[in-house]
Amino acid sequence: QKEVEQNSGPLSVPEGAIASLNCTYSDRGSQSFFWYRQYSGKSPELIMSIYSNGDKEDGRFTAQLNKASQYVSLLIRDSQPSDSATYLCAALGSSNTGKLIFGQGTTLQVKP
Amino acid sequence: GAVVSQHPSRVICKSGTSVKIECRSLDFQATTMFWYRQFPKQSLMLMATSNEGSKATYEQGVEKDKFLINHASLTLSTLTVTSAHPEDSSFYICSARLGSNTGELFFGEGSRLTVL
Repeated sequence: QKEVEQNSGPLSVPEGAIASLNCTYSDRGSQSFFWYRQYSGKSPELIMSIYSNGDKEDGRFTAQLNKASQYVSLLIRDSQPSDSATYLCAALGSSNTGKLIFGQGTTLQVKP
Repeated sequence: GAVVSQHPSRVICKSGTSVKIECRSLDFQATTMFWYRQFPKQSLMLMATSNEGSKATYEQGVEKDKFLINHASLTLSTLTVTSAHPEDSSFYICSARLGSNTGELFFGEGSRLTVL
């Protein structure tokens, strides 16, 4: 079983719609979670971090965390073609090594 | 966010040669940096954890004699791919954490290595 799982997609949404990206993790001790965006050929860029249960909003992005269900999600409102990228979910392992465990990423396509 | 700079962004080398990639934290000190490798259409694979002033910790399956990591200062870590072969061609990305062990991880721009 992979430690952080994401649906690889592609997830296709029309411009202006809400894109919903999901992620589950297996390490119940993980406390910190991150969403990164990666454009083709580029390195990952941090979008959101979330540490507590509930929602965290930043502009068009909302991260949601449910530790009981071991589930993290990212909502992108008013999706734009420029949001088309691969979104990586990451969990900080509980072993105190500081290592981030990445999911395989979900490719999002926003169609004009 | 914090700035992590990587150099070179692209390098092409002949098989058998060695290539050094530098990773610098520009506006903060990083006692720990991480080196990742990414093959096309795959996720990031952690290669090693680079610790300032001590030996790097390598992930299982990563050859420490092939991928030499040096973290001589709080702002610089280097990865040297020794005796490179075509199968080492990949996108190498370094990252550094701002603050505590639970803080956010920031990535360099990545270095694309092509071994002919």
